Amino acid sequence: DIVMTQSPESLAVSLGERATINCKSSQSVLYSSNNRNFLAWYQQKPGQPPKLLIYWASTRESGVPDRFSGSGSGTDFTLTISSLQAEDVAVYYCQQYYSTPITFGQGTRLETK
Amino acid sequence: QVQVVQSGAEVKRPGASVKVSCKASGYTFTSSYFHWVRQAPGQGLEWMGIIDPRSGRTTYAQKFQDRVTMTTDTSTGTVYMELSSLTSEDTAVYFCPRDLGEGAAAAFYFDFWGQGTRVTVSS
Repeated sequence: DIVMTQSPESLAVSLGERATINCKSSQSVLYSSNNRNFLAWYQQKPGQPPKLLIYWASTRESGVPDRFSGSGSGTDFTLTISSLQAEDVAVYYCQQYYSTPITFGQGTRLETK
Repeated sequence: QVQVVQSGAEVKRPGASVKVSCKASGYTFTSSYFHWVRQAPGQGLEWMGIIDPRSGRTTYAQKFQDRVTMTTDTSTGTVYMELSSLTSEDTAVYFCPRDLGEGAAAAFYFDFWGQGTRVTVSS
C-alpha cells in the first residue's frame, strides 16, 4: 500500500497569510504514460463530509476559490492557501489514487492564529 | 442537482452486521461509480472499496475483503454497503462518495459525498 504522510499535523496561520501543507507518498504517484500525478486534496469541516479541492495534483475543482493551489510531482506535494480566510479553518487531507487501496494522509488541522 | 443521501445512524452489537444505504439523484445513476470510505472518531479517512452501479462489479480493499459486500439497486438509484462480524473498531462514520470519472473508467477520486452514516458498535 502507498503510505501518505502529511506535515505538519497542525498549523496556525493568521488571517490573510499564506498556509502551506505538505504531503509525501511512499512511492511515486506519477503515471509516466500520461505524465499525471494521481493526487487529490480535500477539505473537511467539522460534522461535514470531505470536499474535493484539487485533483491531478494541481487542477482546481470547479467552484473552489483560486486562493487554493496544488503543486508537486512524484512523491512530494504541497497545498497552498495564498491568503487564509476564516472559512478555511478545517482539516485537509491528501489522497493518492495511483493504485488501490486508495490511501489518504492522516490530515492536517488548519487553524487561525 | 446531484444529491447523495445516506441512511440513518445505527447501533449494533459486536458480531452483528450493518447495512448502510446511499441514494443518489439528480444525474444518471449508472454513469458514475461509487466508493465507500469510513472515518473512525477523531481519525482520518479509510477507503473500503468501489462499486460500478451498471454492472455491480466491485473491488474491495484487502482489509475488508472477507467482511464487506457492496451492492446496487438501479431501480431506485441506491448503493448499499454491508459489513459483517462487527467489532468496536468498526465504530465510525461511513461515507459513500461518488467517483468523478466519466464513461467506463473510474477516476478513484470523489466529488459528491453523502452526509455520512454513524455506526456505533457496542455491547
